[in-house]
Amino acid sequence: NAGVMQNPRHLVRRRGQEARLRCSPMKGHSHVYWYRQLPEEGLKFMVYLQKENIIDESGMPKERFSAEFPKEGPSILRIQQVVRGDSAAYFCASSFTGDHNEQFFGPGTRLTVL
Amino acid sequence: GESVGLHLPTLSVQEGDNSIINCAYSNSASDYFIWYKQESGKGPQFIIDIRSNMDKRQGQRVTVLLNKTVKHLSLQIAATQPGDSAVYFCAFDSGYNKLIFGAGTRLAVHP
Repeated sequence: NAGVMQNPRHLVRRRGQEARLRCSPMKGHSHVYWYRQLPEEGLKFMVYLQKENIIDESGMPKERFSAEFPKEGPSILRIQQVVRGDSAAYFCASSFTGDHNEQFFGPGTRLTVL
Repeated sequence: GESVGLHLPTLSVQEGDNSIINCAYSNSASDYFIWYKQESGKGPQFIIDIRSNMDKRQGQRVTVLLNKTVKHLSLQIAATQPGDSAVYFCAFDSGYNKLIFGAGTRLAVHP
């Protein structure tokens, strides 16, 4: 049973470029969550998606950030025109249902903006 | 606003001792709480959870205690082992699966 998969594990971008982070949930899971973690800090909720729907994006910055979870394929977190402050670890989690169900986390993507 | 805070940022224990990690929360409406373990370079790993209709729950070597009166959550690890060394996060569900995480406590286990 494969767990939550994220790729790439490490991503380096120059300021102004675009970053695309991918997340494949656990088999059978249709709920996906994205979190951001700065060094030595806790995880901060960004967005909660179900297939083809954004359920809660209250943690997403208003500009440059977007997320999708299409009917087929992985969930994508997209950051346009990256800035140094976007450097962080981005974690994806998935759950079987949306009712206080355990969230399983992936290994994360570490984004470095030069 | 909603927040989760940790009393101790770093906890050092001897191998074999019991460890207690504490957490305070501010949202009295929360009804689901979780403890996660995060090792360096990895994603958070679920340890144990508890719902607000309980005040204690036990797992293998771990116990979570919930005191809703003072909004306090704790994780007890029995017979701490070197493999327990990691950062531990408490989290609560603020509503419809949006988890709020604390800042974390680093547990260092010494032989």
